Amino acid sequence: DQQVKQNSPSLSVQEGRISILNCDYTNSMFDYFLWYKKYPAEGPTFLISISSIKDKNEDGRFTVFLNKSAKHLSLHIVPSQPGDSAVYFCAARTGYQKVTFGTGTKLQVIP
Amino acid sequence: GAGVSQSPRYKVAKRGQDVALRCDPISGHVSLFWYQQALGQGPEFLTYFQNEAQLDKSGLPSDRFFAERPEGSVSTLKIQRTQQEDSAVYLCASSLDGEGSNQPQHFGDGTRLSIL
Repeated sequence: DQQVKQNSPSLSVQEGRISILNCDYTNSMFDYFLWYKKYPAEGPTFLISISSIKDKNEDGRFTVFLNKSAKHLSLHIVPSQPGDSAVYFCAARTGYQKVTFGTGTKLQVIP
Repeated sequence: GAGVSQSPRYKVAKRGQDVALRCDPISGHVSLFWYQQALGQGPEFLTYFQNEAQLDKSGLPSDRFFAERPEGSVSTLKIQRTQQEDSAVYLCASSLDGEGSNQPQHFGDGTRLSIL
């Protein structure tokens, strides 16, 4: 039972354009959502998060949007840079801090 | 060091051997987590410690898996009688606060375990 789903395994975007990564979840008890970025042979690195009481959180080039009624969140990166090329994991949490991850989306930013 | 440190980075073992994986969390971090990441998948939760107390071990796949954090800092994940399906990257993460905190988890680079 995949409670956090990232249906696009990969995405290619031109440098300078917007990257939009999508994530759907099924557990309405999730109260906190996170995005992690992962380079090969490294552990995931925290990128940005959003509480379930908000619908948007922005940090520099990164913005996360949450649509609770649709159980959907998205990560926008603008402008995209080649260094953003990595695997992005959507994650969600309920209660303490047990985090459920999606399967990841590999982003390639083309120079 | 400043980050979460895991050792060894790579471990190859024969089926049936026991292995021990080590995690040094960020100093002062209360919470410690272990995850298992299979190829092409996201990390999956194994177990959670708050200081030395193991508060959740619901993700451990079998009784061959055992984790401890006896002094509330370094943690060891032990797998007994390894099987080929145990082959994965094992990730450790720590966070500053305990239950209910919005502090993000900081991950180590993982131990890649290969069972032959």
